[in-house]
Amino acid sequence: DAGVIQSPRHEVTEMGQEVTLRCKPISGHDYLFWYRQTMMRGLELLIYFNNNVPIDDSGMPEDRFSAKMPNASFSTLKIQPSEPRDSAVYFCASTTGNQPQHFGDGTRLSIL
Amino acid sequence: SQQGEEDPQALSIQEGENATMNCSYKTSINNLQWYRQNSGRGLVHLILIRSNEREKHSGRLRVTLDTSKKSSSLLITASRAADTASYFCATAYNDMRFGAGTRLTVKP
Repeated sequence: DAGVIQSPRHEVTEMGQEVTLRCKPISGHDYLFWYRQTMMRGLELLIYFNNNVPIDDSGMPEDRFSAKMPNASFSTLKIQPSEPRDSAVYFCASTTGNQPQHFGDGTRLSIL
Repeated sequence: SQQGEEDPQALSIQEGENATMNCSYKTSINNLQWYRQNSGRGLVHLILIRSNEREKHSGRLRVTLDTSKKSSSLLITASRAADTASYFCATAYNDMRFGAGTRLTVKP
């Protein structure tokens, strides 16, 4: 099993640019989660999907953030325009049924 | 949402010693899970204890659950330098929120 795959692993970009983070969940998993981790705020749940449908996006900080899941094997988290305070590690996780979540290794995002 | 809160925030011990971390939560649960995060990596699931269980073992890990006190503890016995990581508890599969975690440092 390949696990949850996130890309890119690292992203450095300038303020104002659009950033797109990608996630491929484990095949067969019907739940997908996006988290953000910073020293100040810890690990925050941003949004999660069930069967490609967003269930709870109350953690999405602002309208600059958007997430999509066009199919069961792919999801994106987009920030437009990006700001320095968006710098963080972004994790994707997936699961199915009553099973623990499987996490990707994250995307370390730096906004200059 | 269901969120666990871990304590202490940081714990530093010598290799070979035991490490105990605690988790408190506020709502009723079906189960409680512990995760580990190594530096620069995603969280990895360690162990799950169901609400009708009081204690569970997995290798050097021992988890207890007290639903009357809404608390759980994770004990790592005979710690190793490789156990250095952050440890988190979580109380739901889906709408899962994490506390700040316990940062464990095991000195060789």
